[in-house]
Amino acid sequence: DGGITQSPKYLFRKEGQNVTLSCEQNLNHDAMYWYRQDPGQGLRLIYYSQIVNDFQKGDIAEGYSVSREKKESFPLTVTSAQKNPTAFYLCASSIGPGNYGYTFGSGTRLTVV
Amino acid sequence: GIQVEQSPPDLILQEGANSTLRCNFSDSVNNLQWFHQNPWGQLINLFYIPSGTKQNGRLSATTVATERYSLLYISSSQTTDSGVYFCAVNFGNEKLTFGTGTRLTIIP
Repeated sequence: DGGITQSPKYLFRKEGQNVTLSCEQNLNHDAMYWYRQDPGQGLRLIYYSQIVNDFQKGDIAEGYSVSREKKESFPLTVTSAQKNPTAFYLCASSIGPGNYGYTFGSGTRLTVV
Repeated sequence: GIQVEQSPPDLILQEGANSTLRCNFSDSVNNLQWFHQNPWGQLINLFYIPSGTKQNGRLSATTVATERYSLLYISSSQTTDSGVYFCAVNFGNEKLTFGTGTRLTIIP
């Protein structure tokens, strides 16, 4: 079955550490996205990529970095520069930019300890 | 950018009741989607509905693009309908903008 796989489901990070969240899709989608969700809030866009080797900043890109070396993969690194990284992170993909076929992964819950 | 407002923010209903969730948006859109986020965080796409009306079982949605709003109807609510419902919009190839959601709780 096609879908998006995010790993790990839960991640604990010490202050000052970088961590990388994995997102893999086998839907042959061109576009991929990373969203952050805080308790009781909506989704805010961190980064998105419409094609391999290209990505754009979203609304809250500071303290995050991404890469898109393969169509299937769009990892997100939460760097030590991100002041408040504790949140729920969701990865999504779509056939094309702004296209209606959005599919979401099951999310990674990151906690800073 | 486009502003998206959803109402009500919270809704608590008895099982079997009907509900209407509203999404207002500030600008012209050619893409409007409704999502359901279950209590475990998984987001599921319910409808792609930039205009008109669609139905899927107990759920239906209507978008009146000229008046910049969309409505999601849930009939005969079940406890599995609980969660947060998000509306998301965009225009052209711009990024999807999400509303802040409506949290629905269905009581047995």
